Amino acid sequence: GQQVMQIPQYQHVQEGEDFTTYCNSSTTLSNIQWYKQRPGGHPVFLIQLVKSGEVKKQKRLTFQFGEAKKNSSLHITATQTTDVGTYFCARGIYGTSYGKLTFGQGTILTVHP
Amino acid sequence: EPEVTQTPSHQVTQMGQEVILRCVPISNHLYFYWYRQILGQKVEFLVSFYNNEISEKSEIFDDQFSVERPDGSNFTLKIRSTKLEDSAMYFCASRRPPGQANNEQFFGPGTRLTVL
Repeated sequence: GQQVMQIPQYQHVQEGEDFTTYCNSSTTLSNIQWYKQRPGGHPVFLIQLVKSGEVKKQKRLTFQFGEAKKNSSLHITATQTTDVGTYFCARGIYGTSYGKLTFGQGTILTVHP
Repeated sequence: EPEVTQTPSHQVTQMGQEVILRCVPISNHLYFYWYRQILGQKVEFLVSFYNNEISEKSEIFDDQFSVERPDGSNFTLKIRSTKLEDSAMYFCASRRPPGQANNEQFFGPGTRLTVL
């Protein structure tokens, strides 16, 4: 139905390596949001993508929304230990749904110094 | 910078007891949410609240759950008779009025509920 699937579940990298997490949906997404949750913390909004094929950058983070609006990715270049945490994609449903978020399973990123 | 606050940070209760989790959303926000996260799992939607009433709820949000905004600032989640499987981190979130650029939700730090 309205689930979003996220892979991989875990990613262990050496500091300086790149990292990518992928989010997929069987149905078209009106938008996709990305959140980061540090260990023991709460989800913190990173970005929202709305347009087909959209690419947005935040320093070392690059977010993409697929042309068909059924998938999205987050890529981190040259990871740092401060990037550790769980990265969630979430589909936002608006209109009559008042904006509930349906989260993916998340990708847990660990960075070895 | 304004933030969502939640109390208590940790609540331990006996099975069958009632608990009330409290949240103070950001003051000019109009949409309020409760989510839960069982340890090691994804964040799950429980309920959304707008204009002083529930706008949507998930299958998890059964008759044991209720929400209130009693005084225009607090937003509470009540679990009437807790079960072991209610043990989780409960996050409150709020969102700006419609028409804003982002639909970003601001999450509170969470209340860890442990049911014994």
